[in-house]
Amino acid sequence: KNEVEQSPQNLTAQEGEFITINCSYSVGISALHWLQQHPGGGIVSLFMLSSGKKKHGRLIATINIQEKHSSLHITASHPRDSAVYICAVYSLTGGSQGNLIFGKGTKLSVKP
Amino acid sequence: NAGVTQTPKFQVLKTGQSMTLQCAQDMNHEYMSWYRQDPGMGLRLIHYSVGAGITDQGEVPNGYNVSRSTTEDFPLRLLSAAPSQTSVYFCASSGRGRGRENIQYFGAGTRLSVL
Repeated sequence: KNEVEQSPQNLTAQEGEFITINCSYSVGISALHWLQQHPGGGIVSLFMLSSGKKKHGRLIATINIQEKHSSLHITASHPRDSAVYICAVYSLTGGSQGNLIFGKGTKLSVKP
Repeated sequence: NAGVTQTPKFQVLKTGQSMTLQCAQDMNHEYMSWYRQDPGMGLRLIHYSVGAGITDQGEVPNGYNVSRSTTEDFPLRLLSAAPSQTSVYFCASSGRGRGRENIQYFGAGTRLSVL
């Protein structure tokens, strides 16, 4: 069983729709990271959070430590949001850097 | 700041050839890592470094060597390339500081094919 599970694997939405991507994990963590991988391959950090909720523009990330679950929401989706969204957790049992465990990603396609 | 710079962007090797993937960061980050990304799998850690002169193995270290002689540079060496090493490779760095601890900054990636 993967330690970090994302759902759905693939998501197609119409422009303007509200989108939710889910991440569940089975290990103890110190923080959770949401990343965006563009079609060209580059990876950028969207959020890092260890509790509660963070908002940046149309993106909102929430985490429930007790339930070991995080969600990434995109409001008023746009075709430029099309990308792979990756959830990664910092495992408490990791090495001195902290062991980042990655989900397989959710591929989002937003149609105009 | 250029951030994290990886070279080359693309590379084709024959089985048995050696090469070095370069990674440099200009953010004075302590931590640097190499990951590989394969279809249907999440990013997997190859090697990492917590500072100059200190390296350690990640999840999939076999067939790869690293060194960290300076804070800025963290090259990944393939000593004898194998088709199983065909992948996209990402270098990442992170610092440690108030409010920004452990945010990872990624290079643009190197797409490697081993024939």
